[in-house]
Amino acid sequence: GAGVSQSPSNKVTEKGKDVELRCDPISGHTALYWYRQSLGQGLEFLIYFQGNSAPDKSGLPSDRFSAERTGGSVSTLTIQRTQQEDSAVYLCASSPHSTANYGYTFGSGTRLTVV
Amino acid sequence: DQQVKQNSPSLSVQEGRISILNCDYTNSMFDYFLWYKKYPAEGPTFLISISSIKDKNEDGRFTVFLNKSAKHLSLHIVPSQPGDSAVYFCAAPGAGGTSYGKLTFGQGTILTVHP
Repeated sequence: GAGVSQSPSNKVTEKGKDVELRCDPISGHTALYWYRQSLGQGLEFLIYFQGNSAPDKSGLPSDRFSAERTGGSVSTLTIQRTQQEDSAVYLCASSPHSTANYGYTFGSGTRLTVV
Repeated sequence: DQQVKQNSPSLSVQEGRISILNCDYTNSMFDYFLWYKKYPAEGPTFLISISSIKDKNEDGRFTVFLNKSAKHLSLHIVPSQPGDSAVYFCAAPGAGGTSYGKLTFGQGTILTVHP
């Protein structure tokens, strides 16, 4: 596709439920990133993929968070047993480069609200 | 540990005047810096970057200045336009190891340009 596509755009879930957030990167982009932005906060790094492997998953807040990428393309971020503090906008980005010097292209995000 | 800091949460400027957005960093290993702009309900978009071998980079109305000795960079927008109203983030790629591919973002500054 022309850009990074994320789905759903909005998700409201009850505390304790599991959610899956999907990211379709730009075709051919080998690097894929997940960030989140909580209310009034900056962009918090979660995990990044180079191909299907994740060289850096240091930003995942707890073991309730996991992510995978298959076929070097689509990625899914899963949050188990959601908590209210998980409410945030989850942003996915992709890049054709292995270095971040050239920046990357972001999707519009998934707004997650845990009630 | 906030390695990239934007200490001004907001800035208000009159149309036609100069907007100056500031960013400080603590990691002397950073050698590249980027600015992103974010409108509500959209993902951040790349604006301009600068390598540490330069002290200035200009692109149209946007100029980024880098002062390595002070570990400080700034984004100047001249003249400011109402359409520039957005959140501005500075970011730096990780310095080595598995952090090489990821961007560390500041907290963002909300710029409002009044007509």
